[in-house]
Amino acid sequence: DIVMTQSPDSLAVSLGERATISCKSSQSLLYSSNNKNYLAWYQQKPGQPPKLLINWASTRESGVPDRFSGSGSGTDFTLTISSLQAEDVAIYYCQQYYNTPPYTFGQGTKLEIK
Amino acid sequence: QLQLQESGPGLVKPSETLSLTCTVSGGSISSTSYYWGWVRQPPGKGLEWIGTIYYSGSTNYNPSLKSRVTISVDTSKNQFSLELSSVTAADTAVYYCARHSGGASYYRPFDYWGQGTLVTVSS
Repeated sequence: DIVMTQSPDSLAVSLGERATISCKSSQSLLYSSNNKNYLAWYQQKPGQPPKLLINWASTRESGVPDRFSGSGSGTDFTLTISSLQAEDVAIYYCQQYYNTPPYTFGQGTKLEIK
Repeated sequence: QLQLQESGPGLVKPSETLSLTCTVSGGSISSTSYYWGWVRQPPGKGLEWIGTIYYSGSTNYNPSLKSRVTISVDTSKNQFSLELSSVTAADTAVYYCARHSGGASYYRPFDYWGQGTLVTVSS
């Protein structure tokens, strides 16, 4: 199985500041035939299902604010929130869909306001 | 707007079989573009993929659960279902049904999710 490791486990950032979450995979998620990274980011607020924010490591889903961005390739990926808003308080998960079974998720990063 | 809704018992006894159904509305489960899956989340913990199905009935299961899991589809009712046998307290979780995003491939993330249903395993 591909192991997904996020860091940090929790993060406190001031409103308006940048938040950065890292996700590392135990093997490359870059598929050479199409040059795509099979990595997604989700946001989960309390009592809600996860919401897909970014797929292919850097493609924002429709309707997702542009303060959210994804970057990275191979085994190292980053989710950045450029200017933290109160509504961004949530747990964020990365997920690989390169190698299945199984799809695997990171353990989650809890983002709070400082 | 596509909607998914899980339904089924909220309490299951140990050693019995957990059965859930996901009803899809606002779209057809028979679309050739999408696969459909189940994901669970124990209280306060992370996400675990259970399995995925195509409208044709083709399935793909998490090896850690494969011996106990059956996912089926009923295209006439626009539903797909999950059965998990021989449950224990470790199977207590919120169970989500979800759709893999388009491309007629299961190498896709989940773009639509149900609200989830808590299933507790307890005598």
